[in-house]
Amino acid sequence: QKEVEQNSGPLSVPEGAIASLNCTYSDRGSQSFFWYRQYSGKSPELIMFIYSNGDKEDGRFTAQLNKASQYVSLLIRDSQPSDSATYLCAVDPQGAQKLVFGQGTRLTINP
Amino acid sequence: GAVVSQHPSWVICKSGTSVKIECRSLDFQATTMFWYRQFPKQSLMLMATSNEGSKATYEQGVEKDKFLINHASLTLSTLTVTSAHPEDSSFYICSAREPSGRAFNEQFFGPGTRLTVL
Repeated sequence: QKEVEQNSGPLSVPEGAIASLNCTYSDRGSQSFFWYRQYSGKSPELIMFIYSNGDKEDGRFTAQLNKASQYVSLLIRDSQPSDSATYLCAVDPQGAQKLVFGQGTRLTINP
Repeated sequence: GAVVSQHPSWVICKSGTSVKIECRSLDFQATTMFWYRQFPKQSLMLMATSNEGSKATYEQGVEKDKFLINHASLTLSTLTVTSAHPEDSSFYICSAREPSGRAFNEQFFGPGTRLTVL
C-alpha cells in the first residue's frame, strides 16, 4: 500500500463547477497535510495546508481533513480554466521530518 | 514570502560529464533543504534531505556517490550529478523548509532544473 494515494485522473470538470480532489494516507500519526498545484513544466506551488480535523477555507479552495478515515480532500469552487493543473497531496508522517507526496491528480477545467 | 531559487534552470550535457545544480533560499535561512526528481507524468520523488553542516540523508535506492549533495551554508545547497547518463535526464527540484513557517514541514520549492544528458 502506498503511503499517500490519489486518483491520477484525468478529472474533467466544467467551468464554474466544483472540483473535488481526494487523497488517502496510511500513517495514522501524520500531523500536517498539504495541497500543491503543479502546472506542466513548473515546480509545485503550495495552495494550502491543514492539520486539524474539519474544513479550512481559503478563497475558492477548501481543504477537508478526516483523520479517523485517513483522508484529506480539496474542493475548488467556481472552477476556472486556469485551475487546470496537477494537484499533489503531501503528508507529513509522524517523525519523518519530510513530506511524502501522492502521485497527483490531473485536473482539466473545460470552458 | 519565502523564495527559493535554482540555477541553472536548464542544462544540456554530454554523457559522462558532471553537472552541478544550486539551490538558494533568498530571504530566509534554511537548515534543511530537499532534493526531488520528477520524470515526465510522474510525481515528485524525494532523493535526499540536505542538512546544513552535516551529511545528506539519501532515500533508499538513490546512489549517494552519484548524486553528491553539499549544504555548506544556511542559504545554499548543491546537487552534483556525477558521470551523468541519459537515464539521469529529468526535472530536478529543490525545496527548503522555512523554520518559522506556518506549518512545521511546509516546504517552498525552487523553480526546478531540467537536465538533459545526450
